[in-house]
Amino acid sequence: DTAVSQTPKYLVTQMGNDKSIKCEQNLGHDTMYWYKQDSKKFLKIMFSYNNKELIINETVPNRFSPKSPDKAHLNLHINSLELGDSAVYFCASSQSYGGDGYTFGSGTRLTVV
Amino acid sequence: AQRVTQPEKLLSVFKGAPVELKCNYSYSGSPELFWYVQYSRQRLQLLLRHISRESIKGFTADLNKGETSFHLKKPFAQEEDSAMYYCALSGRTGGGNKLTFGTGTQLKVEL
Repeated sequence: DTAVSQTPKYLVTQMGNDKSIKCEQNLGHDTMYWYKQDSKKFLKIMFSYNNKELIINETVPNRFSPKSPDKAHLNLHINSLELGDSAVYFCASSQSYGGDGYTFGSGTRLTVV
Repeated sequence: AQRVTQPEKLLSVFKGAPVELKCNYSYSGSPELFWYVQYSRQRLQLLLRHISRESIKGFTADLNKGETSFHLKKPFAQEEDSAMYYCALSGRTGGGNKLTFGTGTQLKVEL
């Protein structure tokens, strides 16, 4: 009964490959997010979806394409992976006003070799 | 624009000593502020939000609008408090809400 679940937990892949990370929430929230945590532990928002609609897209390369089939799911597809994409990617969800804070998934540790 | 500043990358204290993790923010509207904690290689967990004025695991934080600060405090540090702490600000941007994080402070509690 995990609130926000991401798969896979670990992903090791070669440069140039395409990979996807999946996220699902069962909290009934209407907004979902992708955050990137780099090697220095900085957390930066990448995307935000509200009721399947993209509302925030923060200067992220076009190789990153989020997809939200419904408001409980938000997937992240990455094309032509580069070494600099290595990071931990966190999915999160909230109600649209965000006042109760966000609930985060356990993260996907992506390593590009 | 919304910005959160945590000036200390690392804070090391002895067990039983008081802890204060600093956080300053910049936001033109009425801010909603949070503290998140991340234990080693785990997910971020919500620790505190300023609206509820609660105390969790002995931690408290008071919003000071005059100083634009939301420092996290605990009177007596415990070993299990060792973790990464992030201050975050929730604000409206464009068509949606965005949670902006500070750079984090690693708290190390030594015996």
